[in-house]
Amino acid sequence: GAGVSQSPSNKVTEKGKDVELRCDPISGHTALYWYRQRLGQGLEFLIYFQGNSAPDKSGLPSDRFSAERTGESVSTLTIQRTQQEDSAVYLCASSLIREQFFGPGTRLTVL
Amino acid sequence: AQTVTQSQPEMSVQEAETVTLSCTYDTSESDYYLFWYKQPPSRQMILVIRQEAYKQQNATENRFSVNFQKAAKSFSLKISDSQLGDAAMYFCAYRRNGANSKLTFGKGITLSVRP
Repeated sequence: GAGVSQSPSNKVTEKGKDVELRCDPISGHTALYWYRQRLGQGLEFLIYFQGNSAPDKSGLPSDRFSAERTGESVSTLTIQRTQQEDSAVYLCASSLIREQFFGPGTRLTVL
Repeated sequence: AQTVTQSQPEMSVQEAETVTLSCTYDTSESDYYLFWYKQPPSRQMILVIRQEAYKQQNATENRFSVNFQKAAKSFSLKISDSQLGDAAMYFCAYRRNGANSKLTFGKGITLSVRP
């Protein structure tokens, strides 16, 4: 079956602009996670959605970051007024029980 | 808070040889999972192997096996008969059991395989 998909694959933007990243989870997966991976680093947790429960936003680095999820389908991660330190790969993962299955990520470059 | 430490930034292994990647972690939880993920240049995170903390037996998946030392909070990955396709970044990760179980990752190790 189809895996987790993310779009765009790459995004180049100018400092101060807003960007929106999209994640399509595996059908039927109730949990969805966003992670950030800076160059040469491990993944940092950003936000977690589980069904209709309130999301866990404890990993969001600033109020410029926000995310939404419609039911158990797609999710969008929005970064407002982008800064150069936001440059990273943003990975999405979905899960049903234990395993998290990752998408290919979006590489964001802020000039 | 849970932490995962991978102290070796890079390792190299000869094709067909065996290599061990180290990982230590810190947690106050007793029920958790440990994982090794592989990330090739394509960026796709691929689950290599999983270990449940309550299981004493070390997990094995074909050429990949772990040495899980719960008391020492150590979780190393052994790759036997290394292949060129094993070259990638490898991340050790921790997740506590239960709801809202985010993964906590180490910084990763870059493995190169010499032909």
